[in-house]
Amino acid sequence: QSALTQPASVSGSPGQSITISCTGTSSDVGGYNYVSWYQQYPGIAPKLIIYDVTNRPSGVSNRFSGSKSGNAASLTISGLQAEDEADYYCSSYRNSRTTPVIFGGGTKLTVL
Amino acid sequence: QVHLVQSGSELKKPGASVKVSCKAFGYTFSAYAMNWVRQAPGQGLEWMGWISTNTGNPTYAQGFTGRFVFSLDTSVNTAYLQIASLKAEDTATYFCARGEAGDALDFWGQGTMVTVSS
Repeated sequence: QSALTQPASVSGSPGQSITISCTGTSSDVGGYNYVSWYQQYPGIAPKLIIYDVTNRPSGVSNRFSGSKSGNAASLTISGLQAEDEADYYCSSYRNSRTTPVIFGGGTKLTVL
Repeated sequence: QVHLVQSGSELKKPGASVKVSCKAFGYTFSAYAMNWVRQAPGQGLEWMGWISTNTGNPTYAQGFTGRFVFSLDTSVNTAYLQIASLKAEDTATYFCARGEAGDALDFWGQGTMVTVSS
């Protein structure tokens, strides 16, 4: 199962905004509004931060936002804080009978 | 309050089997499917499949057929992942996560580390 494509790493300074891309195909990201984003700290389970492309679960900071254009989705974090340093994964529904869920390879965010 | 509690770390020899449990609290167990996700050391997340908590029907992702079995005990709101004929490459942390297939995984267990070593 080919993963969605994410940059391996991104970085930014406190207060800045960063964007993480997630590129798929018309069979997944481009074809459905079922893109999710997860934040994971080392040794801890992932946490859902964006679902259905743009929606934030209750309790998630509004500094996190999601969008999609064509076959690519994006996660933007504004007003970067030290606590945002973590790994971020995108996920999408895929038109596949056997593998309807696909993750991206993950992006390590470093706050400088 | 929704939470998923998984069983503890396991150390197994190659060829053995392991069964990981995931007990759900704080919601109607049959209202949401249960997914399983693998994360090898230092690697990304990999969706293994899911099981309907209504019907017990499992779906296995490509690469997770044959040695992997999802099951349920609805009387105790618990999902299980069993892996047979363990190999060194099965060494990973295994997560259960609530969510319908294709939809967001909104609550996750804490993860169970399975180490396969002779």
